[in-house]
Amino acid sequence: GAGVSQSPSNKVTEKGKDVELRCDPISGHTALYWYRQSLGQGLEFLIYFQGNSAPDKSGLPSDRFSAERTGGSVSTLTIQRTQQEDSAVYLCASSYSGQGAFIGSGNTIYFGEGSWLTVV
Amino acid sequence: GIQVEQSPPDLILQEGANSTLRCNFSDSVNNLQWFHQNPWGQLINLFYIPSGTKQNGRLSATTVATERYSLLYISSSQTTDSGVYFCAVVRGNTPLVFGKGTRLSVIA
Repeated sequence: GAGVSQSPSNKVTEKGKDVELRCDPISGHTALYWYRQSLGQGLEFLIYFQGNSAPDKSGLPSDRFSAERTGGSVSTLTIQRTQQEDSAVYLCASSYSGQGAFIGSGNTIYFGEGSWLTVV
Repeated sequence: GIQVEQSPPDLILQEGANSTLRCNFSDSVNNLQWFHQNPWGQLINLFYIPSGTKQNGRLSATTVATERYSLLYISSSQTTDSGVYFCAVVRGNTPLVFGKGTRLSVIA
């Protein structure tokens, strides 16, 4: 597609329920990133995919968080047994090549509009 | 890990004024980007600028990699420039690391 697409754009869920957030990266982009932004805060890195593998999972805050990517394209971020502190905007981004590879403007990272999650 | 510091944290401008936002980073980088987050939360790429100078309309950016800083210039500011400006860097195989941002408010 023309840009990074995320769904749902807004999700309100009850504490303890599971949620799935979806990201459809820019066509042809091999690298995909998930970030989280709490209200008024900066961006917190969660996980990075190169193709279907996740070389960097260092940011996942707990074992309730998991992510997968299939076919080198769509990714799903799953939060199990949601807690109120999980409320945030979850931002997905993609780039042509993975982090650390310096290939000029091909490394520009583009963000989607985010999925706003509210746990009540 | 690499540290990214942005200044000032908050900035209020009269419409039409010029401003300079600064980003300092603690180590050499191979990717630096400036983003604008609008009031609706959308992160918009402004510049990919690991070194050198680029201009796009009223905005320009300069990165002096050897001195580990980047500057974002906004000229003739407009109310639509309001939002948070983030600097973010990549070093080696680290993820894109963001500064805490500069919150800009342009008033008419």
